[in-house]
Amino acid sequence: DAGVIQSPRHEVTEMGQEVTLRCKPISGHNSLFWYRQTMMRGLELLIYFNNNVPIDDSGMPEDRFSAKMPNASFSTLKIQPSEPRDSAVYFCASSSLTSGTQYFGPGTRLTVL
Amino acid sequence: QKEVEQNSGPLSVPEGAIASLNCTYSDRVSQSFFWYRQYSGKSPELIMSIYSNGDKEDGRFTAQLNKASQYVSLLIRDSQPSDSATYLCAVSSGSARQLTFGSGTQLTVLP
Repeated sequence: DAGVIQSPRHEVTEMGQEVTLRCKPISGHNSLFWYRQTMMRGLELLIYFNNNVPIDDSGMPEDRFSAKMPNASFSTLKIQPSEPRDSAVYFCASSSLTSGTQYFGPGTRLTVL
Repeated sequence: QKEVEQNSGPLSVPEGAIASLNCTYSDRVSQSFFWYRQYSGKSPELIMSIYSNGDKEDGRFTAQLNKASQYVSLLIRDSQPSDSATYLCAVSSGSARQLTFGSGTQLTVLP
């Protein structure tokens, strides 16, 4: 079975540009999580969805960040406008509501110049 | 605020030795506990989960949980250079299923 799929794997953009990160969870999983990882702050939960519904977005740093999950097999995390401090690795993870074990995608390394 | 604390290391052990990684958590109602391994430049990979007090063994890995002390550990027996990675402790509370991660312990196994 395919694991969690994320695209793009690397993104380099200039400050002020819009960035969209994409995630396809494992088929059959009904929880999806977006994380950000930096050396300074470690792995931080940004937002998570259960059955496509956002449950907790308290980790979203600013209004510049938004996330959607239009269906069970696709989610996006958008940053508009991007800033250099947004540079990080963004991970998507999914789990089933019953097991709670989260499986991570390969991540998107974002660099904002 | 829920907190998960880990010794950041780095922790170095010789090949063949036992590596011991420790984690404490602040939320007493925490129910599920996970150890993830993260190689440099890669994503976290689940290696162990534990839900009840006591020990759980899987190959060379043993997870230990003591809810009264709010303490969870991971032992790696017969450590190999391929075990060199950052180990992340994660804790889940209640029905929310969201995980709180520690900052990770960097382990180096010396040949």
